[in-house]
Amino acid sequence: DAGVIQSPRHEVTEMGQEVTLRCKPISGHDYLFWYRQTMMRGLELLIYFNNNVPIDDSGMPEDRFSAKMPNASFSTLKIQPSEPRDSAVYFCASSFATYNEQFFGPGTRLTVL
Amino acid sequence: RKEVEQDPGPFNVPEGATVAFNCTYSNSASQSFFWYRQDCRKEPKLLMSVYSSGNEDGRFTAQLNRASQYISLLIRDSKLSDSATYLCVVSDDMRFGAGTRLTVKP
Repeated sequence: DAGVIQSPRHEVTEMGQEVTLRCKPISGHDYLFWYRQTMMRGLELLIYFNNNVPIDDSGMPEDRFSAKMPNASFSTLKIQPSEPRDSAVYFCASSFATYNEQFFGPGTRLTVL
Repeated sequence: RKEVEQDPGPFNVPEGATVAFNCTYSNSASQSFFWYRQDCRKEPKLLMSVYSSGNEDGRFTAQLNRASQYISLLIRDSKLSDSATYLCVVSDDMRFGAGTRLTVKP
């Protein structure tokens, strides 16, 4: 298995633009997580899915952020409109269960100018 | 969501030293704990699980103290390659600690 796949690896955009981050979890994993990592706040859980259903989105900063999982092999995190404070590394992770090891993708480094 | 607190360091130690990190958690019902390692500009990767009875993997020892609600990671005979950030995780709450940065120097 190739592991968790994320794209793009780097994204530079201007304030106000829409940004879409993509994730392909490990096949067979029922849970998918989206995290954001910054120096100031560390690694924060934004949202997680179980069997494609969003379970907890309480970490999503505000309405500008949305996430979907249309099927077991694909998820997106969208920011519209983007702001400079959204600049961070966004990680996607997947696991068999919440109490199991999570496998992280390489992350998307987002810079909003 | 419950809190997980971790000393951010940095810890700067010489090669061969023994170093220990602690991580406290607030949810007394938590059952599942891990230590992850994150190298600079890389994703976190599992270092080891933390079992109730404590567990060891080579130079690494993880322990859980339920009464005081903390987990610990001990690294013996530290190597230059151990330099990284170590993150504790309370998996039930999906909460990561802020990470402890370790630098091992020659």
